[in-house]
Amino acid sequence: QKEVEQNSGPLSVPEGAIASLNCTYSDRGSQSFFWYRQYSGKSPELIMFIYSNGDKEDGRFTAQLNKASQYVSLLIRDSQPSDSATYLCALTPRAGTASKLTFGTGTRLQVTL
Amino acid sequence: GAGVSQSPRYKVAKRGQDVALRCDPISGHVSLFWYQQALGQGPEFLTYFQNEAQLDKSGLPSDRFFAERPEGSVSTLKIQRTQQEDSAVYLCASSPSGLAGTGELFFGEGSRLTVL
Repeated sequence: QKEVEQNSGPLSVPEGAIASLNCTYSDRGSQSFFWYRQYSGKSPELIMFIYSNGDKEDGRFTAQLNKASQYVSLLIRDSQPSDSATYLCALTPRAGTASKLTFGTGTRLQVTL
Repeated sequence: GAGVSQSPRYKVAKRGQDVALRCDPISGHVSLFWYQQALGQGPEFLTYFQNEAQLDKSGLPSDRFFAERPEGSVSTLKIQRTQQEDSAVYLCASSPSGLAGTGELFFGEGSRLTVL
């Protein structure tokens, strides 16, 4: 089982709609969770991070974490064509293990006009 | 420059050749990471430095891969006797203080390696 699992997509949503991106993880002791956006041919850039159960909002983006169910999601409201990219879910492992980010394979989002 | 700089941006190597990829992190950033990203995949961890100390090299796929950061700033990833499966984008990332705080890694644009 992969440490971080994402549906590769593509996920296609119309402009103005809500895009919902999901990620599950295998290690219940994972500490912190991150969403990175990667445009084609470019490097990943951080969108949001979340540590605690519940929702965290930042502008059009909301990250949701449910540690009991071991999933984290990213909602993008009022989706724009410029949101079309690959969204990478990442996490840090349980305390005391290697200090690194482990990434999922990413979900490709297409926002259509 | 203000960001993480990597060179070369593109490298074509014949199978069996040695290659060296350079990373110049953001000035003052203590932590430096190397990741490998194959086409259509997420970045895979290779190795991590804190200053000049290589604290984790568990992701290096074989002893053909070697990384160093001798003065705690610029880092070099060396791949000996390249194989076709080494073809990927090699991403370097730096961070002011490891994964504490926001855990944000600042990535370079990557070095795309193609092994023929």
